[in-house]
Amino acid sequence: AIQMTQSPSSLSASVGDRVTITCRASQGIRNDLGWYQQKPGKAPKLLIYAASSLQSGVPSRFSGSGSGTDFTLTISSLQPEDFATYYCLQDYNSWTFGQGTKVEIK
Amino acid sequence: EVQLVESGGGLVKPGGSLRLSCAASGFTFSSYSMNWVRQAPGKGLEWVSSISSSSSYIYYADSVKGRFTISRDNAKNSLYLQMNSLRAEDTAVYYCARMVADFDYWGQGTLVTVSS
Repeated sequence: AIQMTQSPSSLSASVGDRVTITCRASQGIRNDLGWYQQKPGKAPKLLIYAASSLQSGVPSRFSGSGSGTDFTLTISSLQPEDFATYYCLQDYNSWTFGQGTKVEIK
Repeated sequence: EVQLVESGGGLVKPGGSLRLSCAASGFTFSSYSMNWVRQAPGKGLEWVSSISSSSSYIYYADSVKGRFTISRDNAKNSLYLQMNSLRAEDTAVYYCARMVADFDYWGQGTLVTVSS
C-alpha cells in the first residue's frame, strides 16, 4: 500500500504569511494527488486536483505543485478563513490520505 | 446544486450491524463513482470503500474488507454501506463522496458509535 507522509503535522502562522505544506509518497504516483481543506465539524473540501489544478471556486492564493513522490500545497497569503486542517490524498493506487496539517493562528 | 445526504448512523454494540445510506441529488448519479470515507473522533481521514458507476468495480480498505459491503441503486440515486461485525475502532463520522479524479463533493457525514 502507498503511504503518504505529510509535514508538518501542525504550524502556526499569521494572516498574510506564505504557508507551505508537503506530502511525500512512498512510491511514485505521477500527479495523482489532491489537496483538501477541512474545518472543524465540516466535511473536507477539494482545493487542488491532479497535483496542481485549482478546483473551481477555490481562491487563487492556493496552489499545488509536484510530481512523482514529492508534492507541495502553498497558500500565498494566509487569510483568516484559511485556518483549518489540510490533507493530501493519493489516488494512483487505491486511495490514501496524509495524516493532516493543522494550520493555527500565531 | 450537488447534494449528498448521509443517514443511518447511530449507536451500536460491538459485533452489531448498521446500514448507512447516502442520497444524491443535483447530478447524474449513475455517471459517477462514489466513495465512503471515515474520520474517527479527533483523527484524520481514512478512505473506506469505492464503487464504480455501474457497480462493476468495488474496492475496500484492508481495515474493513470482509465486514463492510458497498452498494448503490442508480434508480434511487442512492449509495449504501452495510457494516457488519462492528468494532470499537469503527467509531467515526462516515462521509460519502463523489469521485471524478478526486473527491469533489462530500456529504455532511453521519456518526457511527460502536460501544457497549
